[in-house]
Formats: sequence, structure tokens, C-alpha cells
Amino acid sequence: QPVLTQSSSASASLGSSVKLTCTLSSGHSSYIIAWHQQQPGKAPRYLMKLEGSGTYDKGSGVPDRFSGSSSGADRYLTISNLQSEDEADYYCETWDSNIHFFGGGTKVTVL
Amino acid sequence: QVRLQESGPGLVKPSETLSLTCTVSGYSISSGSYWGWVRQPPGKGLEWIASIYQTGTTYYNPSLMSRVTLSVDTSKNQFSLKLNSVTAADTAVYYCARDYHCLDPWGQGTLVTVSS
Repeated sequence: QPVLTQSSSASASLGSSVKLTCTLSSGHSSYIIAWHQQQPGKAPRYLMKLEGSGTYDKGSGVPDRFSGSSSGADRYLTISNLQSEDEADYYCETWDSNIHFFGGGTKVTVL
Repeated sequence: QVRLQESGPGLVKPSETLSLTCTVSGYSISSGSYWGWVRQPPGKGLEWIASIYQTGTTYYNPSLMSRVTLSVDTSKNQFSLKLNSVTAADTAVYYCARDYHCLDPWGQGTLVTVSS
């Protein structure tokens, strides 16, 4: 089964960019993942689906500041022009035979 | 626009059964897609519990499978979760979500506390 590894925290200044990483375990580097954002006290929100090719499909209403990319087993979420409302936990998710797996989440702090 | 709303008791006693219902609006469950449950203990990450299709076909997290039952009521456009023999470790915010490969959208979540 796939394991998703995320750094526990990241920080960047208001207006700058931050790049989050989700690493798929060995043997699962081709898997599609999804990124979700969870603002404090709120439910998770789907941001995008991201393929190993780097092609991504964003959810409705997700700002252009959010983009995805891939390299090997790594899946990235880049937030450009960081805003205060981007301070949140970000989770990656994948699935295999209808079973779902989550990474541990990355807490993003906007300085 | 698909919307999901969880409902059920916010407090459950240890060893009893946790029961939650998710009501779907803006989309007919009978139209397809799986429907899932995810939980999040206070201060911790997300854990997928299980998902169910309109026909009743279900997939479970192996770590919870022995205690979980899902059901679907297409006439009410609802699906439900039962988790038996609960302990304090089952205290969490429980979310329902549409499961169309990834989970999207999500309900707002409901906090269930296991305590006597």
C-alpha cells in the first residue's frame, strides 16, 4: 500500500511563495494524488488532483495562486503570492483499489 | 453544487455504537459515485474510514473494518456510518465526502466525543 510523506511544517512571508512536497513510497511513484487545504477550525477543501506527469486539475474556485507539479515520486503544491488566508494545514491523499491514504499534513505559517 | 451535511449525536458512551448520517443535496446518490467517511482526532491528521457505493458495495480501512458498518438510503439521498464498541480513541471530528477517486467535496464535519 502507498505511504505519503509530508514535512510537518513550512513558513513563508506574506506575498512570497511556498512549495510543499508530498513523497510517494517506493513502488508507487506513478500514483495520482490530491491536495486538500484545511484552514483552522474548518473542514478540508479539495484543491487539485495531480498526476505524475505534472498535469493537475484544480477544484472550482481555487485561486490561480495554487499550482501543482511532479518529479518522480514527489508531488508538489506551490502557493504563490502567499496570503494570510493560506495559513492552513495541507494534506495529500492517494487511493489504491478504492482504499484511501493520507499524508500526515504540512502546517503552513504565513509570516 | 454538491453539498454534504453530517448529523448525529455529539456524545457517545464508551462501548456503545456511534451512528452518523450524511445527507447529500445537489446530487442524487443514485447517479453514481462512492460516498465516504473520514475522521480527524483533535489536533491530529485525517484518517479514511470507509466508502460505499449506491449498490451497497463497500470498502473499509482495514484497521477499522471489524467495527464499521456503512449503509445507503437512496430514497432519502443519505448514507450512514455505524462504529461499534467505541473508546476514547474514537473521539474525533467525522466528515463525510463524495468519493470519486479523491474525496471532494467534504461536509462541514461533526465532533463526536466518546465519554461516560
